[in-house]
Amino acid sequence: TQLLEQSPQFLSIQEGENLTVYCNSSSVFSSLQWYRQEPGEGPVLLVTVVTGGEVKKLKRLTFQFGDARKDSSLHITAAQPGDTGLYLCAGRAFKAAGNKLTFGGGTRVLVKP
Amino acid sequence: DAGITQSPRHKVTETGTPVTLRCHQTENHRYMYWYRQDPGHGLRLIHYSYGVKDTDKGEVSDGYSVSRSKTEDFLLTLESATSSQTSVYFCAISESGVSYNEQFFGPGTRLTVL
Repeated sequence: TQLLEQSPQFLSIQEGENLTVYCNSSSVFSSLQWYRQEPGEGPVLLVTVVTGGEVKKLKRLTFQFGDARKDSSLHITAAQPGDTGLYLCAGRAFKAAGNKLTFGGGTRVLVKP
Repeated sequence: DAGITQSPRHKVTETGTPVTLRCHQTENHRYMYWYRQDPGHGLRLIHYSYGVKDTDKGEVSDGYSVSRSKTEDFLLTLESATSSQTSVYFCAISESGVSYNEQFFGPGTRLTVL
């Protein structure tokens, strides 16, 4: 069974500060996705990283896939209250049956104005 | 937004009663999934389907069954609900070869078993 560990579990910061969320595993993934979930809604995909060492930027969000394809990070620059939510990483194993994903436990981010 | 609906959105039931949750999609995607979400556990896969009448177990399938008689509908049944099945249930869909198999999620069903 492939496991993804996210850290920290909870993060509370002031508007304008930076934050980083980590997603780690002992397993290798073919791709890794980051989702954001707001209260009362389902998760929504932010980004997919597929190449070891890949860095993707989405406005103030920077996503990195580890060289060994076992870990990933999400960095938010100058966080805003609108960034508040639950961030989930999800990995897809090579030749995963049924297109299945393995989800991390999530990091709850609170950005205070 | 992907066309995924779940019904009911909220349900309160008693221990021992059967419960069926419905997921309906209008995207004609091949794969459908049922997850449960509990604090500290992220999303855990219950069952998934890779086609009409083709289903398989996920990591937390005990106490749950599923059926998919049409491409658009995926049903999750709790034969005899227990308090440990109190959770928020999400349905998701995906398609091979589309955007790295991104999964699109429904709005969720909050189930409380008393």
